[in-house]
Amino acid sequence: EPEVTQTPSHQVTQMGQEVILRCVPISNHLYFYWYRQILGQKVEFLVSFYNNEISEKSEIFDDQFSVERPDGSNFTLKIRSTKLEDSAMYFCASTRGDGYTFGSGTRLTVV
Amino acid sequence: QKEVEQNSGPLSVPEGAIASLNCTYSDRGSQSFFWYRQYSGKSPELIMSIYSNGDKEDGRFTAQLNKASQYVSLLIRDSQPSDSATYLCAGSFSGGYNKLIFGAGTRLAVHP
Repeated sequence: EPEVTQTPSHQVTQMGQEVILRCVPISNHLYFYWYRQILGQKVEFLVSFYNNEISEKSEIFDDQFSVERPDGSNFTLKIRSTKLEDSAMYFCASTRGDGYTFGSGTRLTVV
Repeated sequence: QKEVEQNSGPLSVPEGAIASLNCTYSDRGSQSFFWYRQYSGKSPELIMSIYSNGDKEDGRFTAQLNKASQYVSLLIRDSQPSDSATYLCAGSFSGGYNKLIFGAGTRLAVHP
């Protein structure tokens, strides 16, 4: 069964550093998303991406965050100048309309 | 503000029983609903999607949607200990391939 692949599975970074989280969505999917889940809390929407541009972003997705689809397969989330409160699981998801498939996630720990 | 509400549980059922999970949502313009299962430390795994009023069955799972009451439910028949997880209800509002809004999840514990 097709999968959404995320790397790395776990990243530890120092506060103030930049991180890039990577995702390979399912190949025939057209809509891509990033969500995050702080430990013990809800899954929260960050941003959606379609046709090489952001289609919607949440209040969380401020200037610290950016997304990119640098080639035909990868979809990245960049967090500039990380803060302690950015520590969370970050999930990539994709869909072609019949259900949203989530990647296995990247656990980001900011120390 | 579009919201999805779930009872956090835990819901404890004996093995072999029916587990009933419920969810309400705030926006009548909602289109699609999804039930995800999430094991601790893992990503959400899609169990069922439902788009129209009524019931939808898939194996041991039945999803029910009542748009008039803004209510979604998931029934798990013949519950197994391996079903123990957090069940997330999510809605996609305003049609298309919009973002999912998740409830906080209901923790289900199936005891032998």
